[in-house]
Amino acid sequence: KNQVEQSPQSLIILEGKNCTLQCNYTVSPFSNLRWYKQDTGRGPVSLTIMTFSENTKSNGRYTATLDADTKQSSLHITASQLSDSASYICVVSAEGGKLIFGQGTELSVKP
Amino acid sequence: DAGVTQSPTHLIKTRGQQVTLRCSPISGHKSVSWYQQVLGQGPQFIFQYYEKEERGRGNFPDRFSARQFPNYSSELNVNALLLGDSALYLCASRTGGRDDGYTFGSGTRLTVV
Repeated sequence: KNQVEQSPQSLIILEGKNCTLQCNYTVSPFSNLRWYKQDTGRGPVSLTIMTFSENTKSNGRYTATLDADTKQSSLHITASQLSDSASYICVVSAEGGKLIFGQGTELSVKP
Repeated sequence: DAGVTQSPTHLIKTRGQQVTLRCSPISGHKSVSWYQQVLGQGPQFIFQYYEKEERGRGNFPDRFSARQFPNYSSELNVNALLLGDSALYLCASRTGGRDDGYTFGSGTRLTVV
């Protein structure tokens, strides 16, 4: 069964600190993996997209890694800001373009 | 360039009623997908349309239906609303063919009372 699992479910960090979010997937065949940021009540916004041949991709303070062998991905946020408070969703693209969503990690950045 | 636009942004309906949600994709995007996101959970796939044809359907009852128009806009219809249909309904569009261009709208918040 195609599944995407994220951890932790929620995370609270202080402003300026770094954090890492995890994503494990069992989607096959695998096309690509995206990390999205979703503010409360809003649609998800893409942060990074990675194919199976890519190991690392950065977008500003966001760095995503992918290990296609172990089917794991991580999203590292550097020097967190209050505006980083949101839900971060790992999304894996399965055959035919179908997207498999993780449950998300709820990040709260406190001053 | 406008992003994916959805209307209305918020909606309150009574159990048993019918609702129609609308989505306008990014110009040039021919594929539209619909997702249901219950509070605290990740989005669940409902439908995918490409070139006005249904290309995929998630595990949702027949009360849910959709269509895509010649201008690639789309409507999602839900009949006989249940309390459990309360959710954020997201529309996403992409160019089609390859799946590396998904863009989401801000969603329609449906509350069934």
